[in-house]
Amino acid sequence: EAGVTQSPTHLIKTRGQQATLRCSPISGHTSVYWYQQALGLGLQFLLWYDEGEERNRGNFPPRFSGRQFPNYSSELNVNALELEDSALYLCASQGARSTEAFFGQGTRLTVV
Amino acid sequence: DQQVKQNSPSLSVQEGRISILNCDYTNSMFDYFLWYKKYPAEGPTFLISISSIKDKNEDGRFTVFLNKSAKHLSLHIVPSQPGDSAVYFCAASLFNAGGTSYGKLTFGQGTILTVHP
Repeated sequence: EAGVTQSPTHLIKTRGQQATLRCSPISGHTSVYWYQQALGLGLQFLLWYDEGEERNRGNFPPRFSGRQFPNYSSELNVNALELEDSALYLCASQGARSTEAFFGQGTRLTVV
Repeated sequence: DQQVKQNSPSLSVQEGRISILNCDYTNSMFDYFLWYKKYPAEGPTFLISISSIKDKNEDGRFTVFLNKSAKHLSLHIVPSQPGDSAVYFCAASLFNAGGTSYGKLTFGQGTILTVHP
């Protein structure tokens, strides 16, 4: 069974541009979480999608947004990129009533 | 507001000895706790978890202890192996009000474990 897959693995963007990151959850999982891990820091919660709806949002500005598609895959969009957005972006999926979330390999976003 | 804290940024242990990683939390509503292990450039992988109704859960070399009154949990690795060297994150979650699913995980800052041969 395929795990959580994220694309691309690496992304380099210029300040002010937009970045789109994608996540495919484990088959059957309806929840998708997005986390940011900046250099030297822990995992900061960004967004939670479940059954196509945004359920919760972390302490990030509105230029961080996303959506979940009918097949439960998800996109994270970051507009007006800033240098400090450079980080590893991790996606995790979770099944209904499941106690663990499973993570993808992450997308390394570099803003120059 | 750091609801989950790992106060030790790093821990160094000799191979074969016990590794003890600690985690404190402030939100008494948390009812499920997990430990994840992360290697560089990879996503975290689930290691072991414990429900708030228990005080200990064991899986092979890994044991998690929960002290609810102290709002403290710890991960014991015995015996430690060089392959255990990684960043360890503790995380906490709570069953959402609708009782249909666990919500987002709140993570600590992580502890870098180095096991020396």
